[in-house]
Amino acid sequence: RKEVEQDPGPFNVPEGATVAFNCTYSNSASQSFFWYRQDCRKEPKLLMSVYSSGNEDGRFTAQLNRASQYISLLIRDSKLSDSATYLCVVTDNTDKLIFGTGTRLQVFP
Amino acid sequence: GAVVSQHPSRVICKSGTSVKIECRSLDFQATTMFWYRQFPKQSLMLMATSNEGSKATYEQGVEKDKFLINHASLTLSTLTVTSAHPEDSSFYICSVQGGNSPLHFGNGTRLTVT
Repeated sequence: RKEVEQDPGPFNVPEGATVAFNCTYSNSASQSFFWYRQDCRKEPKLLMSVYSSGNEDGRFTAQLNRASQYISLLIRDSKLSDSATYLCVVTDNTDKLIFGTGTRLQVFP
Repeated sequence: GAVVSQHPSRVICKSGTSVKIECRSLDFQATTMFWYRQFPKQSLMLMATSNEGSKATYEQGVEKDKFLINHASLTLSTLTVTSAHPEDSSFYICSVQGGNSPLHFGNGTRLTVT
């Protein structure tokens, strides 16, 4: 089983739609969780950290379920510029970052 | 502005040659820098942790004699892919920890070995 698993997609959604991505992780000792965004042929950039109580940043909401070992990212009112690959990132028990393969989102007009 | 500068952004080289990639930390004094590799449609995989003034720590399965890392100062780490082969073609990205992000990435180097 992969350490961090994501549905690769692609998710094709119209502008204005709400879309949710899930991610599962295998290491119950993981302490830190993040969502990164990666545009095609570019480096990843931090989108947001994920906190136990859940957190929101504008149109983006992240949730963590430790019992089930999954993380989610909700994007509301999708924009064309949201088209990218979203990487779920989890630390292992040595604090090393483990990246998922990413979920590709394509927002169309 | 950029926190990490990586150069070159793209390299095309012939099989058997060596390629050096530079990674500079612009905002932080980085005792530790990380080198990742990403093959198409795959996740970033940590290759090695570069330690200033000492030997790099390589992940399992990464050949240290093939991927030479030098971290001679607090702002510069270099990765040299020695005797490159087509299977080494990949996207190489360095990163630095610091500030409000767990990792700041360089803009990556796309290596194509013909």
